[in-house]
Amino acid sequence: QKEVEQNSGPLSVPEGAIASLNCTYSDRVSQSFFWYRQYSGKSPELIMSIYSNGDKEDGRFTAQLNKASQYVSLLIRDSQPSDSATYLCAVGYNKLIFGAGTRLAVHP
Amino acid sequence: DTAVSQTPKYLVTQMGNDKSIKCEQNLGHDTMYWYKQDSKKFLKIMFSYNNKELIINETVPNRFSPKSPDKAHLNLHINSLELGDSAVYFCASSQNRGRDTEAFFGQGTRLTVV
Repeated sequence: QKEVEQNSGPLSVPEGAIASLNCTYSDRVSQSFFWYRQYSGKSPELIMSIYSNGDKEDGRFTAQLNKASQYVSLLIRDSQPSDSATYLCAVGYNKLIFGAGTRLAVHP
Repeated sequence: DTAVSQTPKYLVTQMGNDKSIKCEQNLGHDTMYWYKQDSKKFLKIMFSYNNKELIINETVPNRFSPKSPDKAHLNLHINSLELGDSAVYFCASSQNRGRDTEAFFGQGTRLTVV
């Protein structure tokens, strides 16, 4: 079983819609959870961090964490074509482990 | 100012050669990492140093040797390069205070072995 699992996509959503990205992890001692965005040919860029169960909102982004289910999600409201990228889920406890990423395509 | 910088950005070399990638961070972080991102875009941790001390060494061939002269620098030397080493190598740093392992990445080094 992979340590951090994501659906590779592509996830295609129309402009203005909500994009929902999901991630599961295997190590129950994990304490820190992050979402990174990576444009093609660029480095990963941190967009959200979450440490406690529940929701955390930042602008159009909402991260959700459920430690009992070992599940992290990212919602992107009012999706824009500029949101088209690969979204990487990362889970941390002494080291940061990444999922393989979900490719999001927002079409006009 | 660039927070995490690595050089070179591109590296094309022949099989069997030895090459180095350099990384520097000016964030004052204690921990630095090397990650490898393969053609399928999977980002895999290779090494982690905390205050110049190696704390993580994933199952990486001995041909890869990291060196940290101080906590702001982490270099990666690769001996006897192989075709399978072609990938993008990212350096990253984090503060690593307790549970905070939020990492900031350099721009990456695209290594092509021919």
